[in-house]
Amino acid sequence: EAGVTQFPSHSVIEKGQTVTLRCDPISGHDNLYWYRRVMGKEIKFLLHFVKESKQDESGMPNNRFLAERTGGTYSTLKVQPAELEDSGVYFCASSHLGVNTEAFFGQGTRLTVV
Amino acid sequence: KNEVEQSPQNLTAQEGEFITINCSYSVGISALHWLQQHPGGGIVSLFMLSSGKKKHGRLIATINIQEKHSSLHITASHPRDSAVYICAVRAGGAQKLVFGQGTRLTINP
Repeated sequence: EAGVTQFPSHSVIEKGQTVTLRCDPISGHDNLYWYRRVMGKEIKFLLHFVKESKQDESGMPNNRFLAERTGGTYSTLKVQPAELEDSGVYFCASSHLGVNTEAFFGQGTRLTVV
Repeated sequence: KNEVEQSPQNLTAQEGEFITINCSYSVGISALHWLQQHPGGGIVSLFMLSSGKKKHGRLIATINIQEKHSSLHITASHPRDSAVYICAVRAGGAQKLVFGQGTRLTINP
């Protein structure tokens, strides 16, 4: 069974450009989460999809971030326009529905905004 | 103050030593996770606990719900155990995880 896949693994962009990160969850996992680790800080929650619906987007930092999960399969996280403080590692995780189901994480996308 | 605090932040030990990493949290939780991240690697789930103790190989995780505290122990540590160990909790009825800052463990041969 394939794990959670994230693409790209690294991205270096200039301030003001747009970047789109992609996450393919484990097949059959209805829960999909985006998290971010900014340099030197703990990993923080961005948002949570259940199937194609946004269940909780309380962690999204501002309206430059747009997440989608069309059809309830893969998800994209677009940053437009990117700012220097957006640099960090973006993790995706997925799990089955239910109470306390195990979350599986992707390898992460390292985003560097210069 | 973060809702999830880990100690120590950094730990260096010699191969074979018994390792303990601590995690304290300040919120009611439904589950606590211990995660591992090797340098350049992804995050791997080691344990999910809601009570008691779990063991997998040389790793042991315990949780005390009343004291809001969990520990991760590694017996007979090995250089391949060198990684960042992260404690994360699922608070109350929420689905999202709240993370500690991680403990960077280095085991020297």
